[in-house]
Amino acid sequence: KQEVTQIPAALSVPEGENLVLNCSFTDSAIYNLQWFRQDPGKGLTSLLLIQSSQREQTSGRLNASLDKSSGRSTLYIAASQPGDSATYLCAVGGYSTLTFGKGTMLLVSP
Amino acid sequence: NAGVTQTPKFQVLKTGQSMTLQCAQDMNHNSMYWYRQDPGMGLRLIYYSASEGTTDKGEVPNGYNVSRLNKREFSLRLESAAPSQTSVYFCASSEVGRGELFFGEGSRLTVL
Repeated sequence: KQEVTQIPAALSVPEGENLVLNCSFTDSAIYNLQWFRQDPGKGLTSLLLIQSSQREQTSGRLNASLDKSSGRSTLYIAASQPGDSATYLCAVGGYSTLTFGKGTMLLVSP
Repeated sequence: NAGVTQTPKFQVLKTGQSMTLQCAQDMNHNSMYWYRQDPGMGLRLIYYSASEGTTDKGEVPNGYNVSRLNKREFSLRLESAAPSQTSVYFCASSEVGRGELFFGEGSRLTVL
């Protein structure tokens, strides 16, 4: 059974800092990996989708990498802003469904 | 562009009552999903429908039933609600299985 772990569970940084969120998974036989953002009381918003054949994806200040062999993905956020404060979840795509990590709660202070 | 729409947004039930959560998507997606989100447990898949006319159990299907009414709509039914079903329920859709997932805003259910 696939297990997805996100470290750290919570992170507090000052505005402007570059930061890295980590996601690890136990079964490397994946089809893709997605990073989501969730604001309090809201649904999940897709940030980046990396196919298993890809090594990274970029969108604006976000960069996600994937290393299938080591079972790891990282989400890099450049020049963090208070508006980036949210919970970030990674999800690993299996044959037909996704397995989610429990998320990293990020607080960016002005 | 509405995306994925869930109703109701909030509901309070008494133990033993039944209810149906409705979900509709306007993106012409083939696959639809129901998840529940609980503190400390993360998101867990209840049921999914890979395509119109098919449904499959996820990780936590007990106490739930689903209906893929048509390509747009996927409903989740609680036949006899229990306090353990107090949760936030999310519907999601993707163009194909293993595709990018789009979520609704969630339905917050409390069972007393």
